[in-house]
Amino acid sequence: EPEVTQTPSHQVTQMGQEVILRCVPISNHLYFYWYRQILGQKVEFLVSFYNNEISEKSEIFDDQFSVERPDGSNFTLKIRSTKLEDSAMYFCASSVRDRGSPLHFGNGTRLTVT
Amino acid sequence: GESVGLHLPTLSVQEGDNSIINCAYSNSASDYFIWYKQESGKGPQFIIDIRSNMDKRQGQRVTVLLNKTVKHLSLQIAATQPGDSAVYFCAEGGVAGNTPLVFGKGTRLSVIA
Repeated sequence: EPEVTQTPSHQVTQMGQEVILRCVPISNHLYFYWYRQILGQKVEFLVSFYNNEISEKSEIFDDQFSVERPDGSNFTLKIRSTKLEDSAMYFCASSVRDRGSPLHFGNGTRLTVT
Repeated sequence: GESVGLHLPTLSVQEGDNSIINCAYSNSASDYFIWYKQESGKGPQFIIDIRSNMDKRQGQRVTVLLNKTVKHLSLQIAATQPGDSAVYFCAEGGVAGNTPLVFGKGTRLSVIA
């Protein structure tokens, strides 16, 4: 069964550094998402992406965050200058349609900011 | 200090019994609902979904019930197995419009062998 793959599985970085989290969505999906989950808490929406542009973003997704689909397969989340509170699991997801179809999630990247 | 969000509702069931996990959703305009299962160290895994024009939908060993009047969603798991132990999240969204999928707080299901 096709799946969403994310790399790396764990990223440790120092405060103020830039990180790029990478995702390969399911190949026939057109809608892409980033969510994050702080340890033990809810899964929170960050951003959705379609047709090479952001469709929606949450308050969490401020100017320090950006997303990109640099080629036909990868979807990346960049955090420009990491803060301690950015430490979380970051999940990429993709779906066939924008609404009314389930999101399929990867296994996440654990980001630790020290 | 208090760790907000670390104390998930928990449900412990005996192997072979049926489990019922409940969820209260917040937005009366939501018309699409999903249950996800999250095992330790993994991403949310799709279990079953339901649209608001239905009040019940069945899958393999799972049933989702939707009560729009009281904005309540439940997941029933028949003959619960040890492999069902996980955190279960409900998520709500819209079939149309600009409403991203919003997750609930989660319930930890522990199956006692």
